[in-house]
Amino acid sequence: AQKVTQAQTEISVVEKEDVTLDCVYETRDTTYYLFWYKQPPSGELVFLIRRNSFDEQNEISGRYSWNFQKSTSSFNFTITASQVVDSAVYFCALSGIYNQGGKLIFGQGTELSVKP
Amino acid sequence: DTAVSQTPKYLVTQMGNDKSIKCEQNLGHDTMYWYKQDSKKFLKIMFSYNNKELIINETVPNRFSPKSPDKAHLNLHINSLELGDSAVYFCASSHIKGSLSTDTQYFGPGTRLTVL
Repeated sequence: AQKVTQAQTEISVVEKEDVTLDCVYETRDTTYYLFWYKQPPSGELVFLIRRNSFDEQNEISGRYSWNFQKSTSSFNFTITASQVVDSAVYFCALSGIYNQGGKLIFGQGTELSVKP
Repeated sequence: DTAVSQTPKYLVTQMGNDKSIKCEQNLGHDTMYWYKQDSKKFLKIMFSYNNKELIINETVPNRFSPKSPDKAHLNLHINSLELGDSAVYFCASSHIKGSLSTDTQYFGPGTRLTVL
């Protein structure tokens, strides 16, 4: 069975702090994709990143960075120098690659509140 | 240039009524999905269609019937609405190449359904 766990339900930080959102996954597939989505207060789901299970290189995009560690089945997301606009619910998700029809398995989400 | 659009954005109705939510994508994708987000923000897949063919049906009650008139549209019809159907429903689309689910899913803005 596939499962994604985001143990942090809510995180509150002050602007300019760095914050890391944890994501741990379970799958029996050897090939899979991991995703992060952002859901701001306006409610839409915004795609942030997709990683292939074969590619364990860390990724950086501006203030965002992702650390994928297959050995610990984790795909953590760090926001550097957080801003109020980063306040949102962040979802980690998992998708098997073969014969699964594209189903995304989501974690419970982490609500990040960045205070000025 | 909206990529994935849904109508209506809000839907308030009485128990027992029948209602539909429409979804359209202009990304040229071959696969479309419906997800349900409950009051605790948990996201779960309901259906997916690939080239107008149903490929995922996640034990959703028969009162929910998706219909895909073409690759760009996936509508969700709900009969005999119940209080527990109150949720946000998201449409999404992506490419699936053969049996591979390799592409990112892009989500519509969501439809907030309230059943009174």
